[in-house]
Amino acid sequence: EVQLVQSGGGLVKPGGSLRLSCAASGFTFSNAWMSWVRQAPGKGLEWVGRVKSKTDGGATDSAAPVKGRFTISRDDSKNTLYLQMNSLKTEDTAVYYCTTVKIYCNGGSCYSWPDSWGQGTLVTVSS
Amino acid sequence: DIQMTQSPSTLSASVGDRVTITCRASQSISSWLAWYQQKPGKAPKLLIYKASSLGSGVPSRFSGSGSGTEFTLTISSLQPDDFATYFCQQYNSYLWTFGQGTKVEIK
Repeated sequence: EVQLVQSGGGLVKPGGSLRLSCAASGFTFSNAWMSWVRQAPGKGLEWVGRVKSKTDGGATDSAAPVKGRFTISRDDSKNTLYLQMNSLKTEDTAVYYCTTVKIYCNGGSCYSWPDSWGQGTLVTVSS
Repeated sequence: DIQMTQSPSTLSASVGDRVTITCRASQSISSWLAWYQQKPGKAPKLLIYKASSLGSGVPSRFSGSGSGTEFTLTISSLQPDDFATYFCQQYNSYLWTFGQGTKVEIK
């Protein structure tokens, strides 16, 4: 059974930093693409970014609102995904979810979507 | 970015009702659409992918249809466990975007 256990959320001041972790089990983490999705209080879902498996190049993609401030990384030896968040803004306040990513490739094009989700961790950016 | 618009925003229904939620994309996304169910305080759960494929362990009363820019999620006979918020999500673009959600409430 896929399990994603998140940690690292909390209260941080604007301009501060925080690192979220997502410990994975129940599947071969090193082969998996992973992503982060967030949800501001009472709002909808917003994609934050994703990381490919190292065998698929290990590249990361990020959404425009977090590009240059947030970094997604992975440690396959620890089966853990990370989200390093710097220069935090009040609008980054949200529950952050890590997800596994399903991939479908056909004719040279690949499509991916979130599959299993972690329990979420709340990040509050406030002075 | 591709914009996703769901309707209605809120839906009141009774147990046993047939429920339909619509999701429209701002441009064609072929069949690259997923649906998620979210209950209060919980993580979303994948229901449907590729517009009409049922996720693992998802009851058969859930179904999805559509292609291009218009999609629907149908619950054939609403059960007490189905009162929740539902989100669509496009993945035609690597910049994933979600609909704003449809809350299914008890009538």
